[in-house]
Parts: sequence; C-alpha cells; structure tokens
Amino acid sequence: DAGVIQSPRHEVTEMGQEVTLRCKPISGHDYLFWYRQTMMRGLELLIYFNNNVPIDDSGMPEDRFSAKMPNASFSTLKIQPSEPRDSAVYFCASSSWGTGEPYEQYFGPGTRLTVT
Amino acid sequence: GNSVTQMEGPVTLSEEAFLTINCTYTATGYPSLFWYVQYPGEGLQLLLKATKADDKGSNKGFEATYRKETTSFHLEKGSVQVSDSAVYFCAPGGGNQFYFGTGTSLTVIP
Repeated sequence: DAGVIQSPRHEVTEMGQEVTLRCKPISGHDYLFWYRQTMMRGLELLIYFNNNVPIDDSGMPEDRFSAKMPNASFSTLKIQPSEPRDSAVYFCASSSWGTGEPYEQYFGPGTRLTVT
Repeated sequence: GNSVTQMEGPVTLSEEAFLTINCTYTATGYPSLFWYVQYPGEGLQLLLKATKADDKGSNKGFEATYRKETTSFHLEKGSVQVSDSAVYFCAPGGGNQFYFGTGTSLTVIP
C-alpha cells in the first residue's frame, strides 16, 4: 500500500487566498483525521470522519476552515480566506476499526502551508 | 476525557546512553497506549503499542510497559543511536478520543 497520500507537500499563498489541502487515506480505512502542527500549539486534532461522516469538528479553529469527505478515498481541508496565523504543517491520518484498533493511526507526510 | 502528560524536552544524549521518556495519562476505562515517532520532515509513525495492563510494547530496541496502577507508559531504550534523533509522542487511545502528548524532542550526539 502507498500509505496516506497528501497534496500538495508545500503551499505558499498570500493572505486572503483560498487554500485546499487534499488527502487520500489508506484503502479500507474507515477513519480519517486532519491535524495541524505548530511549534506553539503542538499537534492539534481539527476534525475526524468515520465512514465519510464528520464525527467531531470541535477542533476546527473557526468558520474559515471546512473539511469534506465525499467518498472513502478522498478528503479535503479548505481554508478561506487564509491568514498568516494559519501557517503550519497539516497532517492527514487514517485508521481502521476493522482491525480492532481505530486508535492506531497512519499519518501522511504532511502539507507545509505558509501564508504571507 | 483522555489526557496525557509527557516529559518536557528537549533531551540531548550521547550515543549509547540510556533513554527514558516519561508519560502518564488519564482516561476513562482502559485505553490502548501508543508511542509515535516523528523524524524530521515526516509525519508521525507508530513506534510501539500496548493494549492492556502489564503488556509490554517493543520495537527497534524501544520498550514501554502499560502500568495501570501508576497510569504510566514510559518509553525506554538501553542504547540510543544518532538515528533515534526525533520527536516522540505518547498517546492514549479510547473513548472516541484521539489525543497526543506535546512531544519530546530527542537529539543524540555522536
């Protein structure tokens, strides 16, 4: 398996622009997570899905952030409009209840976002 | 809800030194316990896990034992290598909560 795939790996954009981050989870996994990592705040869970349905989005910082999972093999995290404080590394991760261990997560390589 | 307290870093050790990174947790019920490692420029990856009390997880020379009585899951390695330089995260898993510790940065010098 190719593992969790994220794109783009790096994104540089100007304040006010829309940013879309993409994730393809491991085939067969039914949980998908979006995290944000910064030096100041560490690793924060933004939202997670189970069987394509958002379960907990309490970590989404504000209405500028939205996430979708239209099917089992694709998810997006959108920021509109972007702000400099959104600069961070965004990780997607997936896991499987079917293995009996949904808490064992597999992470993608991350997208480094810089908003100028 | 679940929470975890990790030893603060950064930690700097000489090659072949003994490593301990402390982790204590609070959780409802009996969660599974995980250690993840993040190498520079990469995502987190599972290092080891334990699913019930007194279980010992091990991988790549690292070990951690699930201690229910002290709610701890300390990470240890007898002889660290330069290639072990990374950030280590402790994570309890259970109760539909997904939470990671703050991470402990380890640097091993030759």
